[in-house]
Amino acid sequence: QQQVKQSPQSLIVQKGGISIINCAYENTAFDYFPWYQQFPGKGPALLIAIRPDVSEKKEGRFTISFNKSAKQFSLHIMESQPGDSATYFCAASGGSSGAGSYQLTFGKGTKLSVIP
Amino acid sequence: SAVISQKPSRDICQRGTSLTIQCQVDSQVTMMFWYRQQPGQSLTLIATANQGSEATYESGFVIDKFPISRPNLTFSTLTVSNMSPEDSSIYLCSAERAGRGFGTDTQYFGPGTRLTVL
Repeated sequence: QQQVKQSPQSLIVQKGGISIINCAYENTAFDYFPWYQQFPGKGPALLIAIRPDVSEKKEGRFTISFNKSAKQFSLHIMESQPGDSATYFCAASGGSSGAGSYQLTFGKGTKLSVIP
Repeated sequence: SAVISQKPSRDICQRGTSLTIQCQVDSQVTMMFWYRQQPGQSLTLIATANQGSEATYESGFVIDKFPISRPNLTFSTLTVSNMSPEDSSIYLCSAERAGRGFGTDTQYFGPGTRLTVL
């Protein structure tokens, strides 16, 4: 059972445009929602993360929007650049004590291509 | 943040052999995790490794196939045993300090080990 659904699977955006990636989760106990960026041949790197006590978090060109009632969160990349071309993974964790609360459940990933 | 290194970065192995992957963190961490990632796919958690206790394996992964060691707070190893071509994948370790100080304690990943089994 996939607990974090991510869409779209791939995305092509013009340079300067806005890239939007969406995720939906099922487990209402999740309380931590990070986004990771992965370039080919590299490990995932934390991009930005949010907790459900806020509806939006912005860091530079990257913004997470969070809708607790809808159990959805999204990543917005403003003024997308060719250097943003990578695979983006949403994830979620939390909901119990002990080791299980730290385990990340990942979405399937979105391959973003920003064309000049 | 934490800097994580893995050795080897890649290897090509013969069927039936075993490979041990090392993961080194530049600071003490409570939680370490091992993931598998098929090229172009998402990450699948293999096991959680805490210092001083047995690793906890996810469904579909067993200790005999993927033994893990966690001798101290900065190091862990994953062994892929009796390999078959189906084990060809990228293996990633990650680390997190317990105590969920938001924005400071989160899961950081190593660069991965690309394994090809012939």
